[in-house]
Amino acid sequence: QKEVEQDPGPLSVPEGAIVSLNCTYSNSAFQYFMWYRQYSRKGPELLMYTYSSGNKEDGRFTAQVDKSSKYISLFIRDSQPSDSATYLCAMTGTASKLTFGTGTRLQVTL
Amino acid sequence: GAGVSQSPSNKVTEKGKDVELRCDPISGHTALYWYRQRLGQGLEFLIYFQGNSAPDKSGLPSDRFSAERTGESVSTLTIQRTQQEDSAVYLCASSQPPSTDTQYFGPGTRLTVL
Repeated sequence: QKEVEQDPGPLSVPEGAIVSLNCTYSNSAFQYFMWYRQYSRKGPELLMYTYSSGNKEDGRFTAQVDKSSKYISLFIRDSQPSDSATYLCAMTGTASKLTFGTGTRLQVTL
Repeated sequence: GAGVSQSPSNKVTEKGKDVELRCDPISGHTALYWYRQRLGQGLEFLIYFQGNSAPDKSGLPSDRFSAERTGESVSTLTIQRTQQEDSAVYLCASSQPPSTDTQYFGPGTRLTVL
């Protein structure tokens, strides 16, 4: 079993929809959680970072962490075609090497 | 520089040849990481450098893989006797302690082994 599970998609939604992306993990040592966005043939770009259970909001993005269920989510409100990318969850316990999910490919259509 | 840079952006090589991939981290970042991303898969940790400490090599998949870092700047990842399964995008990231979990990635080197 992988330490981090993420549905690979692809996920296709119309413009303006609310998108929900999720990851589950098995290692209770993970304390820091991140979401990265990766456009085709580019390096991952950090979107959200959190280290506590609960919600963190940044513009149209909300990161949610539930440590008791070992479950994290990223919500995108009012999705735009420019949000079309692969979204990777990542986490670490030691604040050094990151463990990534496989990524979910998102397509926002006009 | 403004961000992490990597070279070459693409590398095609024949099975059995050695390759060197280069990473220039963000200026002042003391921590540097290498990851591998195979097609359709997440990033896989390879190696981590932090200042003058011994590197964490726990992610290197075989002794064909090695990496060096010159002080707190450039790093080179070397793959000897390349195999087709080494084909992947190799990504470098850097960070500045204490925020070592906030890693900034380069664009990657796409390696194709024929």
